[in-house]
Formats: sequence, C-alpha cells, structure tokens
Amino acid sequence: DIQMTQSPSSLSASVGDRVTITCRASQGISNFLAWFQQKPGKAPKSLIYAASSLQSGVPSKFSGSASGTDFTLTISSLQPEDFATYYCQQYNSYPITFGQGTRLEIK
Amino acid sequence: EVQLVESGGGLVKPGGSLRLSCAVSGFTFSSYTMNWVRQAPGKGLEWVSSISSGGTYVKHADSVKGRFTISTDNARNSLFLQMHSLRAEDTAVYYCTRASQSDYWGQGTLVTVSS
Repeated sequence: DIQMTQSPSSLSASVGDRVTITCRASQGISNFLAWFQQKPGKAPKSLIYAASSLQSGVPSKFSGSASGTDFTLTISSLQPEDFATYYCQQYNSYPITFGQGTRLEIK
Repeated sequence: EVQLVESGGGLVKPGGSLRLSCAVSGFTFSSYTMNWVRQAPGKGLEWVSSISSGGTYVKHADSVKGRFTISTDNARNSLFLQMHSLRAEDTAVYYCTRASQSDYWGQGTLVTVSS
C-alpha cells in the first residue's frame, strides 16, 4: 500500500498569511494526487486534482505542486473561511490512501 | 448541477447488516468510477470501495473485504454499499464520491454499530 505522510498535522496562522502543507508518498504516484478541504460537520470539498489542477469554482489562492514524491498545497492570503482541515489523497493505485490531515487554525 | 445524496445509515447491532444508497444526478452516472469513503468520529478519511464505470472492476479495502459489496444500478443512477457482519469499528459517516479523484462528494450518512 502507498503511505501518504502529511505534514504538519496542525498549523496556526493569521489572516493574510501564506501557508504550505506537504504530502509525501511512500512510492511514485505520478501526478495522481488530490487535495481536499473539510470544515467541521461538513463533507470534504475537492480543491486540487492531478497534483496541480484547480477544481472548477475553487479560488486561485489555492495552488498545488509536485516534485517527485513530494506534493504541496499552498494557500495564499488566508481568510477566515480557509481555516479548516486539509487532506491529500493518492489515486494512482488501490488501495486509495489519504494523508492523516492538517488542521489549520487561526493564530 | 452534480448532486450525490446518500441514505440508509442508522443504528445497527454488531453482526448486523445495512445497505447504503447514493442517488446521483447532474452527470452521466454510467461513465464514472464511483467510490465509498468513510470517516470515523473525530478521525481522518478512509477509502472503502470503488466500482469502475460499467462495473468492470470492483475494489474493496482489506478492512471490509468479504463483508461489504459495492454495486450500481445505472437505470436508477444509484450506487450501493451492502454491509454485512458489521463491527463497532465500522461506525463512521459514509460518503459516496465521484471519480478516482473524488471530485464530488455527497453529504454523508452516519452508520453507528453498537449494542
């Protein structure tokens, strides 16, 4: 199984900050990497697919990049509605696996 | 507008069975791989099962293999998850999602396994 190691597990930041969340795959997954945002009591929402493609309707403040087996999600100019938990997911092979999540909190 | 609506969750005793449904609209259901993903209370996301468009392949997580079965009814634009021999550790919100990259999610249905 492919392990997805997400870091940090939690992150405190201020409104207006730029933050980066990282996901490392235990083996190559090409660009089959997605990012999700989840707010308390709600279903996850797709942000990024294919490592760097923005889902329709998602603001351009969210961006994704890849370097080998390392993937990053960057959120620029944090707003109050961006404070949530973020997950990465690899869909290169079964079993599909998720990172453990990053909780982004207001400082 | 793409919509996925799960139903069928509830309280069931250990060893019991439950069938979840996901009614979809707004896209050509038969053209997409569909998935079930679950989230135990206070925990992260866990992939459960996938079925390819046309049902060519079916995949299940090891944790549910032999107990859960994913299926579709293209005439009814619906995805199902038949769950047998339920355990306490199956307690979770179950989401149906579209495509391998899970680009759309339903609102989820809560399954509680408890005596």
